[in-house]
Amino acid sequence: AQTVTQSQPEMSVQEAETVTLSCTYDTSESNYYLFWYKQPPSRQMILVIRQEAYKQQNATENRFSVNFQKAAKSFSLKISDSQLGDTAMYFCAFMNYGNKLVFGAGTILRVKS
Amino acid sequence: DGGITQSPKYLFRKEGQNVTLSCEQNLNHDAMYWYRQDPGQGLRLIYYSQIVNDFQKGDIAEGYSVSREKKESFPLTVTSAQKNPTAFYLCASSIEHTNTEAFFGQGTRLTVV
Repeated sequence: AQTVTQSQPEMSVQEAETVTLSCTYDTSESNYYLFWYKQPPSRQMILVIRQEAYKQQNATENRFSVNFQKAAKSFSLKISDSQLGDTAMYFCAFMNYGNKLVFGAGTILRVKS
Repeated sequence: DGGITQSPKYLFRKEGQNVTLSCEQNLNHDAMYWYRQDPGQGLRLIYYSQIVNDFQKGDIAEGYSVSREKKESFPLTVTSAQKNPTAFYLCASSIEHTNTEAFFGQGTRLTVV
């Protein structure tokens, strides 16, 4: 069974600084997808970034980038130039080719002014 | 507009009663999912379906049942066998076998009294 672990229940960062959220996962499969989702207080789930396991190049979306280490089964999210609007719960997620999509427990990120 | 709709937004039921949560999508997605979210917690997978008339148990399927008679619809029934049904329930859908993001509904808050 696939599991996703987020070891940081809460993080805080000053506005304009950089923060990294950790995620590790466990799977015996070689092909899969990884995602980071954001859940603001409205509870609407918003995709932040995605990564295909067969791609070695780390995904980047504007201020958001990942450090994907396949051998270590690690998928961390780096947020640069943090903004107040980045305050939210962040979830790491894993999807296998059978479309089973599982999430970690989440990390609450607070951006301080 | 294409999207995924959950109804109702808030639902109250008496203990011991079955209740059905609605989830409809017009995105032509093959895969659909149900998650449970408890306060400050991550999303736990209840059931998922890759195709009409087929579905698989997630990590916490006990006390829940689903059906997938139509591509657009994936209702979730919370039965009286579910020991602690009060929670926030999220439905999602995605295109099968791709890294395309899963789209989420607005959620249903179920309170059992």
